[in-house]
Amino acid sequence: DSGVTQTPKHLITATGQRVTLRCSPRSGDLSVYWYQQSLDQGLQFLIQYYNGEERAKGNILERFSAQQFPDLHSELNLSSLELGDSALYFCASSVVGSSDEQYFGPGTRLTVT
Amino acid sequence: AQSVTQLDSHVSVSEGTPVLLRCNYSSSYSPSLFWYVQHPNKGLQLLLKYTSAATLVKGINGFEAEFKKSETSFHLTKPSAHMSDAAEYFCVVRGPGGFKTIFGAGTRLFVKA
Repeated sequence: DSGVTQTPKHLITATGQRVTLRCSPRSGDLSVYWYQQSLDQGLQFLIQYYNGEERAKGNILERFSAQQFPDLHSELNLSSLELGDSALYFCASSVVGSSDEQYFGPGTRLTVT
Repeated sequence: AQSVTQLDSHVSVSEGTPVLLRCNYSSSYSPSLFWYVQHPNKGLQLLLKYTSAATLVKGINGFEAEFKKSETSFHLTKPSAHMSDAAEYFCVVRGPGGFKTIFGAGTRLFVKA
């Protein structure tokens, strides 16, 4: 158990809908990272937050957004969902930055029908 | 620009024989390099990391990796494979500040009895 929690574990929704994925980092970790894992694209870094502020952006679509709250939990919002958004979404946390180990949550499996 | 290439999509070994998973990277900066393992239906677990200290890095479960700047490689090795090592392994390169965290495509390791 990494100490990172993600909810929900599974999510099934229809095209065009909006969903919110939630992540609670390990106690003491200030950075949260979001990743998407799909069969065709592999593992892709989406976005990083550090202590409430956006720190780095990867291949995140404009339909997706994220935020980190004062209690350091983070939410990833996915809107206007398409079939191709079906994937496993991982959250990870680390103490500070890029050279620190990232601890991954168990993931949320999103299925868009 | 940064990139990472895992040279084998699948590797099959017999239990008790050595494991070699190959990773080449490209980075404009001095990168941080990581190896993660993902067991089926699980999140990612850090095996080891290189952050410009010793070039031979020891990780968990008997794995180690050697950073070779001249060859731009960071291959993962283990002297003797165990059945429980069967999983997918990801090589990761990360630049300063966490920008452009890039995962390799993954290498699936099969261990035969």
